[in-house]
Amino acid sequence: DTAVSQTPKYLVTQMGNDKSIKCEQNLGHDTMYWYKQDSKKFLKIMFSYNNKELIINETVPNRFSPKSPDKAHLNLHINSLELGDSAVYFCASSLGTGGEKLFFGSGTQLSVL
Amino acid sequence: GQQVMQIPQYQHVQEGEDFTTYCNSSTTLSNIQWYKQRPGGHPVFLIQLVKSGEVKKQKRLTFQFGEAKKNSSLHITATQTTDVGTYFCVNNLFFGTGTRLTVIP
Repeated sequence: DTAVSQTPKYLVTQMGNDKSIKCEQNLGHDTMYWYKQDSKKFLKIMFSYNNKELIINETVPNRFSPKSPDKAHLNLHINSLELGDSAVYFCASSLGTGGEKLFFGSGTQLSVL
Repeated sequence: GQQVMQIPQYQHVQEGEDFTTYCNSSTTLSNIQWYKQRPGGHPVFLIQLVKSGEVKKQKRLTFQFGEAKKNSSLHITATQTTDVGTYFCVNNLFFGTGTRLTVIP
């Protein structure tokens, strides 16, 4: 069983569309994250949720809205997609918020045309 | 957010040569983690360093945390093609800029 799974793996869409990426972890972790990796491979944290509560929002545009229905799930909804949103989005989880190691999903390659 | 700088950005080595990547911060780091991302893959945790001057080894990999806790390094002895990937240092969820390692057989 995959510890952190995210779907879809690939997402190709037109500018202006709205799309969602789903993430689930079966590790029993309390904290989940979304990271964005751009074409230069820089990895930037976007959001962090601890027990369904938002604890980190790294100045991400309002078009990005994370939703955590329970602590095992953290979905990312993106409105009005722009070309610059093209990237690989990684979901991750950790046991708590005290700097524990991160477990990553396999990523979602988003291409906005 | 905090930014840790890594050098070099890219490194090409012949198989069997050693490789080192350095992570530097202008502020004291509470801890440092290292991750490896294979091409097309996702970051995978390697190790965490917490103490000043700490040195940890994993087979051919040696990790160091500076005495002032402002820098860290990852050294790979006798690289193999399986070492190919991007190595990131991480402090409090913030990833360094990464070093992309290519190993030439």
